[in-house]
Amino acid sequence: KQEVTQIPAALSVPEGENLVLNCSFTDSAIYNLQWFRQDPGKGLTSLLLIQSSQREQTSGRLNASLDKSSGRSTLYIAASQPGDSATYLCAVRGEETSGSRLTFGEGTQLTVNP
Amino acid sequence: DAGVTQSPTHLIKTRGQQVTLRCSPKSGHDTVSWYQQALGQGPQFIFQYYEEEERQRGNFPDRFSGHQFPNYSSELNVNALLLGDSALYLCASSFRPGSYEQYFGPGTRLTVT
Repeated sequence: KQEVTQIPAALSVPEGENLVLNCSFTDSAIYNLQWFRQDPGKGLTSLLLIQSSQREQTSGRLNASLDKSSGRSTLYIAASQPGDSATYLCAVRGEETSGSRLTFGEGTQLTVNP
Repeated sequence: DAGVTQSPTHLIKTRGQQVTLRCSPKSGHDTVSWYQQALGQGPQFIFQYYEEEERQRGNFPDRFSGHQFPNYSSELNVNALLLGDSALYLCASSFRPGSYEQYFGPGTRLTVT
């Protein structure tokens, strides 16, 4: 059974700081890994998706890396801003022949202080 | 282009009652997945519908059931509500079950008292 763990559970940083969020998964047989952002009481916004054959993806100030063999991914946020405050969720999709079921971690709650 | 929409936004029910939640997928999408997110937890997969049939199911009891209509919209039904069913219910849509990316709706907040 796939299990996804995110560390830390919560993080508070001053504005402008660079930061790293960590995600680990127990079964390396994944199809892809996705990072989401969730604002309080809201749905999920996809930030980055990394296919299992890729090592990293970048979008603006965000960079996600994937080490499939070791079961780890990191989300790097450069020059953090108060608007980045949210919960960040990591999710993996297994190597199934059909379906797109995602297994999520519990998230990292990020607060960026002005 | 409308994204994934869900209704209602909030719902309060009493233990033992039944509830129906609704989801309309993003335009062009034909597959709908449902997730339950308890407070402070990550979303948990409930089931996925494609071609009006349940294709995959997570570890949820039979009290949770669903339906998909010919226009690809979907309903999630929960019978005999328990206090522990209180959660944010998220709907996600994609084009085909094997699509690599899903789009999530804003969710329905269900409170069971």
